[in-house]
Amino acid sequence: EAQVTQNPRYLITVTGKKLTVTCSQNMNHEYMSWYRQDPGLGLRQIYYSMNVEVTDKGDVPEGYKVSRKEKRNFPLILESPSPNQTSLYFCASNPTGVGETQYFGPGTRLLVL
Amino acid sequence: DQQVKQNSPSLSVQEGRISILNCDYTNSMFDYFLWYKKYPAEGPTFLISISSIKDKNEDGRFTVFLNKSAKHLSLHIVPSQPGDSAVYFCAASGEYGNKLVFGAGTILRVKS
Repeated sequence: EAQVTQNPRYLITVTGKKLTVTCSQNMNHEYMSWYRQDPGLGLRQIYYSMNVEVTDKGDVPEGYKVSRKEKRNFPLILESPSPNQTSLYFCASNPTGVGETQYFGPGTRLLVL
Repeated sequence: DQQVKQNSPSLSVQEGRISILNCDYTNSMFDYFLWYKKYPAEGPTFLISISSIKDKNEDGRFTVFLNKSAKHLSLHIVPSQPGDSAVYFCAASGEYGNKLVFGAGTILRVKS
């Protein structure tokens, strides 16, 4: 089944404790991205990747890192999480670019205390 | 400054009637527009899209209209069904190439 998977689905952590949210897609898509969803703000893009080893900032990259060492994986790293990073995070992928349909993962709900 | 705005946080419609969800944008460089639907505890799923060279695109019960001069698009669902109850996000791309800009979403409730 074609899908985007994220782990973990739910995470509670404390300020400053490094964490990684994994994202994997099995559709051989070149383009992957991360979004956060906050009430009243919709989805905002954090980072995106056009292909392996190619990443770029979205609208809200501060406090996040990403890497794209393999085509299928695009982890989101919070080196020192803060309470304002409490949010619902979505990973997405599509074949070549954002103009095409994006396939979203199920989401990761993060609470930073 | 939100470049894509969905000014109605929620909409309630009777089953069988038409649902109209609206979206306004400010960036004239946007040239591709999409609607996504999202159920609780799931990721958004693509619904329908429209390119700026068109003013209408239809897919079954879903039709998207684009008015470029007014920088406005709308999603019509006819007839509305209880299973259509979800959050609907409008999104746009263009100026920034690979960046997709979303609106805040509209919660649609279809009452049976």
